[in-house]
This record gives sequence, C-alpha cells and structure tokens, in this order.
Amino acid sequence: EIVLTQSPGTLSVSPGEGATLSCRASQNIGHNYLAWFQQKPGQSPRLLVYGASTRATGIPDRFSGSGSGTDFTLTISEVGPEDSAMYFCQHYSSLPRTFGQGTKVEI
Amino acid sequence: EVHLVESGGDLVQPGGSLRLSCTTSDFNFYHFDLTWVRQAPGKGLEWVATMDPLGVIEYYVDSVKGRFTVSRNNAGRSLSLQMNNLRDEDTAIYYCARETLGVLDSWGQGTLVTVSS
Repeated sequence: EIVLTQSPGTLSVSPGEGATLSCRASQNIGHNYLAWFQQKPGQSPRLLVYGASTRATGIPDRFSGSGSGTDFTLTISEVGPEDSAMYFCQHYSSLPRTFGQGTKVEI
Repeated sequence: EVHLVESGGDLVQPGGSLRLSCTTSDFNFYHFDLTWVRQAPGKGLEWVATMDPLGVIEYYVDSVKGRFTVSRNNAGRSLSLQMNNLRDEDTAIYYCARETLGVLDSWGQGTLVTVSS
C-alpha cells in the first residue's frame, strides 16, 4: 500500500500570497497518477489536478500541480478567501487507492 | 455538470446491515468505473470500493472485504453498496464518484451512515 504524507498539516496564508502544499509518497507513483482535491466544509471533494500536473475542467490557472516519482506539490498562486479549504492528494496508480491526510489552508 | 445522488444512509446498530444507492441521469453511466469513498467525521478520505463498467470486476479496501458488496445496474443507472456486519468504525459520509481513467472527476453530495448502539 502506498502511504501519502501531506505537509504542512495547516497552512496560514494572507490574501494575495502564494501557498505550497506537499504530498510525499512511500513508493514511486507510476505514470504520475496523482490527483489533488479541494474540500470545503459541508461539501464533497472537488477535483483540482490529475496526472500530477493537469488541471481539471474549470479550475483556475492559479492552481498548479507538479512533481514526479514520490514528491508532488500543489501550488496556489495569489490565494483568495475562496481558497480556504482542506486539500487532499490521492494516487490511482495501484490498489488500494489511498489519500493523504490533508492540508488545511486558512486565509 | 455531472450529478450523482447518494441515498440510503441511516443510523444502524453494530452488526447490522444497510444498502446505499447512487443514481445519475447525466452521463453514459455504462462507460465508467464507479467508486465509493468514505469520510469519517472530521477525518480524511478513504477509498472503499470500485466497480468496472460491466459490473464484473470489484475492488475493495481490506477493512471492508467480506462485509461490503458493490453492484451496479446499468439499465437503471444505479450503483449500490451493500454493507453487512457494520462496525463503529464504518461511521462516515459515503460518497459515490465517477472515475475517468482512474481519476475521480465527479462526486455526489454524500450520505451519512452512523453505526451506534
């Protein structure tokens, strides 16, 4: 089983600043099959990025994903109040699919 | 926009059973893998089960194997999760999600299952 560890646990950011979220895998993730999700309180998760770096439909270009192998990053440039949420990474390269424990972004 | 609607969540006693359903009318249902993901209160996300488009291949997380069964009815455009021998730790919001090449690209709003005596 691939274990995903996200850091930091909580990230406090001022409006207009950038935010960098990390996701580290216990094993190499083949084909960079790594996705990022945003979840706001009381809502279901929303896909932001898949394939480590491809933005999902309708996602603003201030969200960007990068990385390969075992180290992946989600960057939010110029954060706004609407970006306050939990962010989860998830791999889909093998079974079981696992999620990171999440990073809470506070604006 | 794809709409998935879960139902069937309830309060059930430990050892009891519950059947969840997920329906949609918004996409070519029979073309996609479908997945259940759960989230315990205040916790992270856990992949539970996935079923292939034909309803032949099933995958489960170890903690539910032998207790949960996923099924689908493509004609009725529905996905189900039969949950037996429920435990306290199964308490969670259960989401169904559509998979496109492994990517969970559309999610329902979730249904709450509470296992408690």
